[in-house]
Amino acid sequence: GAGVSQSPRYKVAKRGQDVALRCDPISGHVSLFWYQQALGQGPEFLTYFQNEAQLDKSGLPSDRFFAERPEGSVSTLKIQRTQQEDSAVYLCASSSWTSGRYNEQFFGPGTRLTVL
Amino acid sequence: AQSVTQLDSQVPVFEEAPVELRCNYSSSVSVYLFWYVQYPNQGLQLLLKYLSGSTLVKGINGFEAEFNKSQTSFHLRKPSVHISDTAEYFCAVTTTTSGTYKYIFGTGTRLKVLA
Repeated sequence: GAGVSQSPRYKVAKRGQDVALRCDPISGHVSLFWYQQALGQGPEFLTYFQNEAQLDKSGLPSDRFFAERPEGSVSTLKIQRTQQEDSAVYLCASSSWTSGRYNEQFFGPGTRLTVL
Repeated sequence: AQSVTQLDSQVPVFEEAPVELRCNYSSSVSVYLFWYVQYPNQGLQLLLKYLSGSTLVKGINGFEAEFNKSQTSFHLRKPSVHISDTAEYFCAVTTTTSGTYKYIFGTGTRLKVLA
């Protein structure tokens, strides 16, 4: 596919369950971002990868959130012991990378997580 | 720290009328500015961006925005809207010195075009 894909598109979890959200970036894109979009809000940055290195995780709201990108391509965002406040749309974006230069971020359709 | 303010949470406008969606930002360093559109159950699509150069930026679907450094604004305009422009619009900023170019988004403006 030409774009960023995310799966599942919708996820319902019971409070306390663990969930894993997948992001397939555009082929060849070095940079990968995760954002969290609560209902009625703008997206908020969670974490950033450059290849397999997680260079910025300043936006992760708690130690229940964990992200990985072990081979520098597909990324997984894992949320342990989900809480109701984790209900949101989780957006993934990827971009190419040029040292010292901005590259456009391309967004996936998101995963809507509902925690009951 | 950077922040983005979108003053209007909802903007209703009649079809073929002009519209302006307001965005103000705060930053102690130079910024890049963006407008994204989000249709229901879809991801974010880039409308336009300001990186440098001309302060009047033209984007897709007939939208344009003007960067005003003195007023720290980046308002989005369209001279004549269509029903299909009904969507959520987000203003975003990143800094020119950011190592990651992560975005800071506003809370969004819901544009509702009325027939």
